[in-house]
Order: sequence, then C-alpha cells, then structure tokens
Amino acid sequence: SYELTQPPSVSVSPGQTASITCSGDKLGDKYACWYQQKPGQSPVLVIYQDSKRPSGIPERFSGSNSGNTATLTISGTQAMDEADYYCQAWDSSLRVFGTGTKVTVL
Amino acid sequence: EVQLVETGGGLIQPGGSLRLSCAASGFTVSSNYMSWVRQAPGKGLEWVSVIYSGGSTYYADSVKGRFTISRDNSKNTLYLQMNSLRAEDTAVYYCARDLRGYSYGRYYYYMDVWGKGTTVTVSS
Repeated sequence: SYELTQPPSVSVSPGQTASITCSGDKLGDKYACWYQQKPGQSPVLVIYQDSKRPSGIPERFSGSNSGNTATLTISGTQAMDEADYYCQAWDSSLRVFGTGTKVTVL
Repeated sequence: EVQLVETGGGLIQPGGSLRLSCAASGFTVSSNYMSWVRQAPGKGLEWVSVIYSGGSTYYADSVKGRFTISRDNSKNTLYLQMNSLRAEDTAVYYCARDLRGYSYGRYYYYMDVWGKGTTVTVSS
C-alpha cells in the first residue's frame, strides 16, 4: 500500500520560515494537498493541487511537489500557525494521509 | 452555509455494531464524493472510506469487509455502518466532502469541508 512519510516535528521561530516535507514513491506524479489541525479541532484544508490555496488561507502558506517529495512552506510563521500538519494524496482510488508533523513556534 | 454534522458515536463492546450518520447542509451529498476519516486518540489521521457520486465505494484495508459506507439521498445524509468492532477502531470519526479536479492529465482529490467528528469507543 502507498505510504506518505513526514517528520514528526518541526520547530520555528516567529517570523521565520517553516518547511514540512512529505515523502512518497513518485509523489511528484500525483497531486498532494495539506491540512492543518489544531488541538481539539477538525482538520482544515490549507493547500490543494500541490500549491493552490483555498479561499481564506493566508498567502504565507505555499506548497510544491516534485520527485518523491511534497513540501508545505509557512513564511513569516505566526504563533497561530502552531498545529499538526498532514499531507494527503491518492493511489488507486484510495486516499492516503501522511504521518503528520507537529509545528512548534518557539 | 456548507456544513456537516456527525452523530451516532458512543461506547460499544468489542464485536458490536454501530452506525454513524453525517447530515449535510448547503450542498447535495449524492452529487459529491464523500469520505470518512478517523483519528485514534493521540494519533494521526487515517482515511477510512469513500463513496463516489456514481455509487462506487472504496475502503481502507483495515476496515474492508467490516465497514460499509452508504448514503440516503432523500435525507442528504452519509452513513458508516461499522460491524465486528475492535479496540483499534476507537477514534474520532469525521466525515468530509471529497472534491475531485483534473489538470495536466491527472486527477487530484482534496477534502474541503469537514464535520466536527463523533467519538467511537470500543471497550468492554
């Protein structure tokens, strides 16, 4: 079965850039999306189709996907961005979530 | 307003059955792909099942043969029938609208609307 691997945690200082990777076999041949989940809340879509932002998502969130790795970048990270982030792709009609990354804003 | 509300969770003994419901408003369930996603306590998101607008259904290996996804068009509601429940099925269960797009020769999918979830606890 298809698997997506993320680093368990990423730490970033306020105002700096956080990069979260998502690795999977030939992931660049698929499209990836990203979700943000804060404690006790439902996931929120922040990036779809590799790099598109839904309405209402700040411009500081951006995405890319090439080779075996998709990347979510948070520029000018704010305290409110502290959350868990999950990548997601699909394979043979099945949806697959990444292992998740906890972003801590120090 | 587009909204999803899950109900039906609770405490159930191992081997038991439970049916979750997901009532939609602001859009038509039958015209969309709809997914169930679960999250065990302290763990990550796990996709469970999807039903396509045409009626095709797909399941994660972990629930195949035990869970059934369905919908009632007249009630604009999505369901997840869960049988032969195990302790490892304990989780918050979310329903989500699962959108599809097509670009440069490839499909892409993403879940743009999520409910608040309903908690299922499997324990004796």
